[in-house]
Amino acid sequence: EIVLTQSPATLSVSPGERATLSCRASQSISSNLAWYQQKPGQAPRLLIYGASTRATGIPARFSGSGSGTEFTLTISSLQSEDFAVYYCQQHNNWPPVLTFGGGTKVEIK
Amino acid sequence: QVTLKESGPVLVKPTETLTLTCTVSGFSLTNARMGVSWIRQPPGKPLEWLAHIFSGDEKSYSPSLRSSLTISKDTSKSQVVLTMTNMDPVDTATYYCARITAGITIFSVVTYFFDSWGQGALVTVSS
Repeated sequence: EIVLTQSPATLSVSPGERATLSCRASQSISSNLAWYQQKPGQAPRLLIYGASTRATGIPARFSGSGSGTEFTLTISSLQSEDFAVYYCQQHNNWPPVLTFGGGTKVEIK
Repeated sequence: QVTLKESGPVLVKPTETLTLTCTVSGFSLTNARMGVSWIRQPPGKPLEWLAHIFSGDEKSYSPSLRSSLTISKDTSKSQVVLTMTNMDPVDTATYYCARITAGITIFSVVTYFFDSWGQGALVTVSS
């Protein structure tokens, strides 16, 4: 089973600053990685799929990069609504077997 | 507009079987390269994928929970059902259903992700 490790567990950032979140896979997953944002009491929301493609309606300040085992989600200039928990998710095989990372909480500094 | 809604018991006793239903609208369970997944989240903990079923009835289960899970669908009712046997207090969680769909990466590879989610249903396991 592929394990996704997200770091840091908590990231303290001031509004307007840049946030960089990391997701590492225990083996290569090519570009089969997605990112989600979850706010308290809400379901997750898809941000990025295929490691770097923004989902419909996602602002350009969110960007994803990486392939193989190392992936990054960057929020270029944090807005108040961006403070949340972020999860990465991978899949392999067909039918796909999926796993999520442990999450990174982005909090106000 | 795509919507998914979970329904089922709020409280189950240890050792009982949990049955959850996801009713979808805005898309068909026969759509190619689409399916419905179940994902859960214990209070204050990360997301955990449980199972999914695709349009051609292909199924996958979490390796750690495979023996206790069964997923099925009723296309005519637009419903996906998950059963989980031998429930334990550690299974207390919010259970989400989500649409899993396929996209193409910049390397022209098919990739799968959850593009629509239900609101979630909190299930508590307690005697």
